[in-house]
Amino acid sequence: DQQVKQNSPSLSVQEGRISILNCDYTNSMFDYFLWYKKYPAEGPTFLISISSIKDKNEDGRFTVFLNKSAKHLSLHIVPSQPGDSAVYFCAASAANAGGTSYGKLTFGQGTILTVHP
Amino acid sequence: NAGVTQTPKFRILKIGQSMTLQCTQDMNHNYMYWYRQDPGMGLKLIYYSVGAGITDKGEVPNGYNVSRSTTEDFPLRLELAAPSQTSVYFCASSGTGVGNTIYFGEGSWLTVV
Repeated sequence: DQQVKQNSPSLSVQEGRISILNCDYTNSMFDYFLWYKKYPAEGPTFLISISSIKDKNEDGRFTVFLNKSAKHLSLHIVPSQPGDSAVYFCAASAANAGGTSYGKLTFGQGTILTVHP
Repeated sequence: NAGVTQTPKFRILKIGQSMTLQCTQDMNHNYMYWYRQDPGMGLKLIYYSVGAGITDKGEVPNGYNVSRSTTEDFPLRLELAAPSQTSVYFCASSGTGVGNTIYFGEGSWLTVV
């Protein structure tokens, strides 16, 4: 029972273009969503997050969109750079279900992003 | 700035052996977590702790034990290692409250043969 799904195992994009990574979830209790970036042989690094009370959050080149009715979120990277090449994980938590729930993350399988020069 | 430090980085265990993965953080975070990542999969929560002396099970706790005697340290013990425990293990920590960044260590690669 995969509660968070990233259906695209990989994405290839040209430098300077937009990268769009998608994520779907099934658990209605999830109210906080995060994107992590991971390079080989390193731990995940926090990228951007969004609370369910918002539908968009922007940080520099990174924007996360949340569509609660569709239980779908996406990460947009504009413009894409070769250094963005990594595995991107979507994660979710039921942050407001209880005081300790915030960091109990459910992860998707990841999407490998390759940005070509 | 160390952040979350895990040791060892790599380890090969024989079936039935035991070992402890060490995790320490220097950010004075109350919350600490252990996740595992199997090939091609997302990370899954093994155990977590909200403070010294308090631990609880995550999604996949079987075959593991934890303790939290100090704020800084959160070791993960594997008893009677099995091939199914071959995985990459990540320790993480965060401050309390929604919105606090969850910081991950670099990972520990464990192979059980």
